[in-house]
Amino acid sequence: GQNIDQPTEMTATEGAIVQINCTYQTSGFNGLFWYQQHAGEAPTFLSYNVLDGLEEKGRFSSFLSRSKGYSYLLLKELQMKDSASYLCAAMDSNYQLIWGAGTKLIIKP
Amino acid sequence: DTAVSQTPKYLVTQMGNDKSIKCEQNLGHDTMYWYKQDSKKFLKIMFSYNNKELIINETVPNRFSPKSPDKAHLNLHINSLELGDSAVYFCASSQGVEELSTDTQYFGPGTRLTVL
Repeated sequence: GQNIDQPTEMTATEGAIVQINCTYQTSGFNGLFWYQQHAGEAPTFLSYNVLDGLEEKGRFSSFLSRSKGYSYLLLKELQMKDSASYLCAAMDSNYQLIWGAGTKLIIKP
Repeated sequence: DTAVSQTPKYLVTQMGNDKSIKCEQNLGHDTMYWYKQDSKKFLKIMFSYNNKELIINETVPNRFSPKSPDKAHLNLHINSLELGDSAVYFCASSQGVEELSTDTQYFGPGTRLTVL
């Protein structure tokens, strides 16, 4: 079956760095997405990886290892506004997104 | 300018009623989606639709039906509402390009449905 695993909740300190891991199992693979969702709001796109390696975009970076079925989202210089849920989603061979349940990130001062 | 819009934002109704949620996108995208997000925050795909085909998640009850009057709209009709239908429903759209490229989905603000 198809499955996405990511931690349910993480806590980090303002100004620090946090890494949110995601493992996936899909029928075929057409890329890995990360979305951010603030409480009560819609998910918004953060990153897309389809090749192995690290993609950096400002304070956020996303890494992919296709052979390991593994990705992580790295957030640097954490700000209070980064408190949100981070959703990992893998696109399968039918171009359908398989979503994880999300990781709730709590930032403490 | 709102890229993907949904109405209403909140919907409270009685069990057994029939209701509709409207979705419109002004991005010129070819594919639209409906998701259900329950209290555990898990996003579950219900339908994806472009001008070629409708893909239905087989676990979705047939009380739910999408209606697309044109490429920019995908409305969700729900018949005989049940308590378990209470959730946030998100509409989304994407370019729908079927190749190894970023097919980013843009989400609407969500409709919080409460069935009493």
